[in-house]
Amino acid sequence: AIQLTQSPSSLSASVGDRVTITCRASQDISIALAWYQQKPGKPPKLLIFDATSLESGVPSRFSGGGSGTDFTLTISSLQPEDFATYYCQQFHSYVPLTFGGGTKVEIK
Amino acid sequence: EVQLVESGGGLVKPGGSLRLSCAGSGFNFNIYTMSWVRQAPGKGLEWVSSIIKSGTYIAYGESFKGRFTISRDNARNSLYLQMNSLRADDTAVYYCARVPDTPHAGLYFDLWGQGTLVTVSA
Repeated sequence: AIQLTQSPSSLSASVGDRVTITCRASQDISIALAWYQQKPGKPPKLLIFDATSLESGVPSRFSGGGSGTDFTLTISSLQPEDFATYYCQQFHSYVPLTFGGGTKVEIK
Repeated sequence: EVQLVESGGGLVKPGGSLRLSCAGSGFNFNIYTMSWVRQAPGKGLEWVSSIIKSGTYIAYGESFKGRFTISRDNARNSLYLQMNSLRADDTAVYYCARVPDTPHAGLYFDLWGQGTLVTVSA
């Protein structure tokens, strides 16, 4: 199974900060990566697919980068509603699909 | 409104069975690949199973083969997960999720239900 390692596992940041989360795959997955945001008690919400494509309706302050084994999710200017946990997911290998361990973004 | 609504969760004893349902509405359920993803309390996301629109191809995570069965009824816009031989570590919120129906779309999820909690405990 393809393993995804997210770093950091948590971070503290202030409103207006630029935040970058990293996801590293255990093997080359091309651009077969998605990013989700999850708030407590809610289901995940798709932010980015195909590593860099912004899902419709998602604010442009979110951006994805990378290919191969190293990927990033960047929030250009953190807003109060962005405090949440973020997960990456690979779909290069369908069985199994795998998720990263999550990155919790907290208020400093 | 485009939505997925899960039902069927609850408390079950170890070794018991449960059948989850997911009702889709506001979109053409028949054309989408559907999946189940779970999340244990305080933990991350874990893919359980996926089924293509016709139901003719199904895949499971290793932990679920032989115990869980995914199925769908397109006439009822519904997805199901039959869970047998349940264990304490199956305790989780189970989400129903939709795969986008766009050309060359990969197996990621653009629509999620609110989830249904399954608790396995004596």
